[in-house]
Amino acid sequence: KNEVEQSPQNLTAQEGEFITINCSYSVGISALHWLQQHPGGGIVSLFMLSSGKKKHGRLIATINIQEKHSSLHITASHPRDSAVYICAVGDYNNDMRFGAGTRLTVKP
Amino acid sequence: DVKVTQSSRYLVKRTGEKVFLECVQDMDHENMFWYRQDPGLGLRLIYFSYDVKMKEKGDIPEGYSVSREKKERFSLILESASTNQTSMYLCASSPWAVTIEAFFGQGTRLTVV
Repeated sequence: KNEVEQSPQNLTAQEGEFITINCSYSVGISALHWLQQHPGGGIVSLFMLSSGKKKHGRLIATINIQEKHSSLHITASHPRDSAVYICAVGDYNNDMRFGAGTRLTVKP
Repeated sequence: DVKVTQSSRYLVKRTGEKVFLECVQDMDHENMFWYRQDPGLGLRLIYFSYDVKMKEKGDIPEGYSVSREKKERFSLILESASTNQTSMYLCASSPWAVTIEAFFGQGTRLTVV
């Protein structure tokens, strides 16, 4: 079983829809990252959080440490949000563990 | 603007060749990492370095080696490339702990034929 599980693996939405991507992890963590990878490969860090909730524009990330679960929400989704979203956790050994990613396609 | 730069976006090499993938960061970060990314498997750690000349094996070090002679540069070496090393390779750097922040390069898509 992977230490970091994401769901769904693939997600197709219509422009304007509210998107939720989930991440569950089984290890003790110091922080959780949400990453975005566009076609071509480059990865951008969207959020790093260790508790509560963070918001940046249309993106919201939440984490529940007790339940070992995080969600990434996209409000008013747009085709340019189409990308692979990756959940990664940083553990106390300074290692990062990654989910397999969620491929999001937003159709106009 | 912070940057992690990988020397090539695309590479095609022949089986048995020695391959060098270079990564440079300009943020004075202590930690640097090399990952490979394969469909369905996510990112897997090959090697990381927490200081100049220091290195630690990750989850899948077999067939790879690394070099960190200067703080800003971390090289991944495929001693004798094989077709199962065809993959996307990503370099990352972070300050002294990944709980601070992590930055990624743009990736190198390596094809071994």
